[in-house]
Amino acid sequence: AQSVSQHNHHVILSEAASLELGCNYSYGGTVNLFWYVQYPGQHLQLLLKYFSGDPLVKGIKGFEAEFIKSKFSFNLRKPSVQWSDTAEYFCAVNAPSGKSTFGDGTTLTVKP
Amino acid sequence: NAGVTQTPKFRILKIGQSMTLQCTQDMNHNYMYWYRQDPGMGLKLIYYSVGAGITDKGEVPNGYNVSRSTTEDFPLRLELAAPSQTSVYFCASSYGLGVANTEAFFGQGTRLTVV
Repeated sequence: AQSVSQHNHHVILSEAASLELGCNYSYGGTVNLFWYVQYPGQHLQLLLKYFSGDPLVKGIKGFEAEFIKSKFSFNLRKPSVQWSDTAEYFCAVNAPSGKSTFGDGTTLTVKP
Repeated sequence: NAGVTQTPKFRILKIGQSMTLQCTQDMNHNYMYWYRQDPGMGLKLIYYSVGAGITDKGEVPNGYNVSRSTTEDFPLRLELAAPSQTSVYFCASSYGLGVANTEAFFGQGTRLTVV
């Protein structure tokens, strides 16, 4: 069965600090990988996605993620966070069957 | 386009009552999903559908039922509400081409409380 593990439940940073959120997945076949963001009181929105090709993908708002197949990882990064990045971040995996699996989420708090 | 529309936004149920959470999408997406979100637990897949007439169980299907009679609609039914079903429910859809290679679009959520 596929699964997704996010290593950090809660991250607290000051503005301008760099961010890296870990995500590891387990699935033996081809997968598609996603990072979603959920701002307080809102629904989930796509940050970025990986399907194939360049393992370094860029998303909205300066976020990027690197797919490392040998490590089954898809870590999210941002060089300099802003207060408006305070949100919950979810890593997700889609298998060819259509079944999607989300990690438990990481709450990011950015202090102004 | 409206995207994914869920109704109602809020609901309070008594134990043992039943209700249907409605979800409709106007993007002609093949795949639709129902998730529940509990604090610190991420999103858990309840049921999903890869097309009209096809549904399958996710991680936490007990206590729920779904149907997919049309491409647009994917209602979630709670037959005998229990306090453990207190949660925020999200419906989502995506345009899967057999390899599920597109992102999901989410509805605004339904906050359900069972008392």
